[in-house]
Amino acid sequence: DGGITQSPKYLFRKEGQNVTLSCEQNLNHDAMYWYRQDPGQGLRLIYYSQIVNDFQKGDIAEGYSVSREKKESFPLTVTSAQKNPTAFYLCASSSTGYWGYTFGSGTRLTVV
Amino acid sequence: GENVEQHPSTLSVQEGDSAVIKCTYSDSASNYFPWYKQELGKGPQLIIDIRSNVGEKKDQRIAVTLNKTAKHFSLHITETQPEDSAVYFCAARITGNQFYFGTGTSLTVIP
Repeated sequence: DGGITQSPKYLFRKEGQNVTLSCEQNLNHDAMYWYRQDPGQGLRLIYYSQIVNDFQKGDIAEGYSVSREKKESFPLTVTSAQKNPTAFYLCASSSTGYWGYTFGSGTRLTVV
Repeated sequence: GENVEQHPSTLSVQEGDSAVIKCTYSDSASNYFPWYKQELGKGPQLIIDIRSNVGEKKDQRIAVTLNKTAKHFSLHITETQPEDSAVYFCAARITGNQFYFGTGTSLTVIP
């Protein structure tokens, strides 16, 4: 079955460490997105990519980095510069001509 | 930029009753309005959507209405069931394929 897979489901980070969240899709979608979800807030866009080797900052890109070397993959690195990284991170993808998103099941990141 | 407001933030209904969630948006250029259902620990799933050239859309027990003049759209769930309990998000699409999301409504259906 086609879908979008995020891993790991739970991730713990020590302060000062960088961590990378994985997002893989086999839907042949062109565009991929990373959102952050905090309690009581809507989803906020971190980064998005419309094509391979190109990506743009979203509303809250500071302290995050991404790469898009393959169409199927869009990993997100949470760097030590992100001061409040504890959150639920959602990856999504979409295809040209289809207006909706397909979301992954999310990664919950906790700083310990 | 676009701003999407969603109300209420929590909603409890008796099983079999109807539930209504409302969203307002600010950018008149918004042209697509999906609704997502998110169960605990999972990613959101699209349940219904509406485009700006349509006033109402229905899919079984779920319907969405859009008032472009007033810039608001609503989700209606009839004959609610316990499995409808979840967090519901509205969203508005502006340019390209980017969305602004509401802050979510936690719906509890009481058996």
